[in-house]
Amino acid sequence: AQSVTQLGSHVSVSEGALVLLRCNYSSSVPPYLFWYVQYPNQGLQLLLKYTTGATLVKGINGFEAEFKKSETSFHLTKPSAHMSDAAEYFCAVFKAAGNKLTFGGGTRVLVKP
Amino acid sequence: EPEVTQTPSHQVTQMGQEVILRCVPISNHLYFYWYRQILGQKVEFLVSFYNNEISEKSEIFDDQFSVERPDGSNFTLKIRSTKLEDSAMYFCASTGQTGGRGDTQYFGPGTRLTVL
Repeated sequence: AQSVTQLGSHVSVSEGALVLLRCNYSSSVPPYLFWYVQYPNQGLQLLLKYTTGATLVKGINGFEAEFKKSETSFHLTKPSAHMSDAAEYFCAVFKAAGNKLTFGGGTRVLVKP
Repeated sequence: EPEVTQTPSHQVTQMGQEVILRCVPISNHLYFYWYRQILGQKVEFLVSFYNNEISEKSEIFDDQFSVERPDGSNFTLKIRSTKLEDSAMYFCASTGQTGGRGDTQYFGPGTRLTVL
């Protein structure tokens, strides 16, 4: 069975500081991994995804994530937080059987001025 | 940019009533999904739909739930007799290519269902 764990349901960062959101997965097959962001009163928007190839993936809004197979991790980072980064972030793994995403619990990011 | 739309944005209903949540997926997409998120909990898969039939459904998707693509553009989720525990945000999603493992699922803004 596949599962996703996001460490920390809430993260508070200062504007300009590093944003680090942790995601660990379990998967019996090579995973396809995704990060989605949800801004208030909006749907889930894809930030980035890892399928195959380069393990460092760059996404929108300056975010990137690195797939580390040995650590079963796919942590999301952004070097310098902006107020507009305040949102909830979801890590997800794709399960081919049934063609569905399995989500982590989400991490809500608060950016302090 | 094409997007998935959902209506209504908020639905309030009485326990035992039927509700229909509507979604318009991106027009050339082939695979459709419903997910839900109970307040404070994870986003959970409900059902996937392709070629006018259900591909897979979760244990949540019992006989009270049904999906339909009635007219080639809309994709609906019906809950026949709502329960209090059906209160959640319901998200529709679609993907266009092969539905394969690397395809991006595009999500709508959600419908918040409140069952009283």
